[in-house]
Amino acid sequence: EAGVTQFPSHSVIEKGQTVTLRCDPISGHDNLYWYRRVMGKEIKFLLHFVKESKQDESGMPNNRFLAERTGGTYSTLKVQPAELEDSGVYFCASSHLDRGYEQYFGPGTRLTVT
Amino acid sequence: RKEVEQDPGPFNVPEGATVAFNCTYSNSASQSFFWYRQDCRKEPKLLMSVYSSGNEDGRFTAQLNRASQYISLLIRDSKLSDSATYLCVVNIWSTDKLIFGTGTRLQVFP
Repeated sequence: EAGVTQFPSHSVIEKGQTVTLRCDPISGHDNLYWYRRVMGKEIKFLLHFVKESKQDESGMPNNRFLAERTGGTYSTLKVQPAELEDSGVYFCASSHLDRGYEQYFGPGTRLTVT
Repeated sequence: RKEVEQDPGPFNVPEGATVAFNCTYSNSASQSFFWYRQDCRKEPKLLMSVYSSGNEDGRFTAQLNRASQYISLLIRDSKLSDSATYLCVVNIWSTDKLIFGTGTRLQVFP
């Protein structure tokens, strides 16, 4: 079974630019989550999709971040415009609908904003 | 105060040693508890769930004390391959959100 995949693995952009991160969950997983780890801090929850619906977006830092999951398959996380403090590793995770506590993480996208 | 607190380490131990990690959590609505393992520049991977009765998986033993809001992980007979960061993770009741500690780094040397 293929795991969670994320693209790109690394991204370096300048402040003010836009970046879009993509996550493909494990096939059959209706739950999809985004987390991020900024330098020196713990991994923090951003939001949770159930199929195409946002179930919980309490962790989204501000309106520069937009997550979508059209069709309930892959998801994108867009940062526009990017700021220096957005640098970090963005992880995507997925789980079965009734096993939300058993989340499988992707390898992450390392974002550097200069 | 962080919701999940861990000693960041690093813990440097020789092969064969026994090492214990501790973690405390502040939210009494925490429902589920886990230890994840994260290798350098890799994703976190579930190591084991933690139950009040305690649970063991080979050389790893996890314990939960709900009254003290305290979680532990014991690794016996450490191997070089155990070198990693161990993340204490809790899940709050009625949400899927995982709350992570900053992790404890373990380095096992020959």
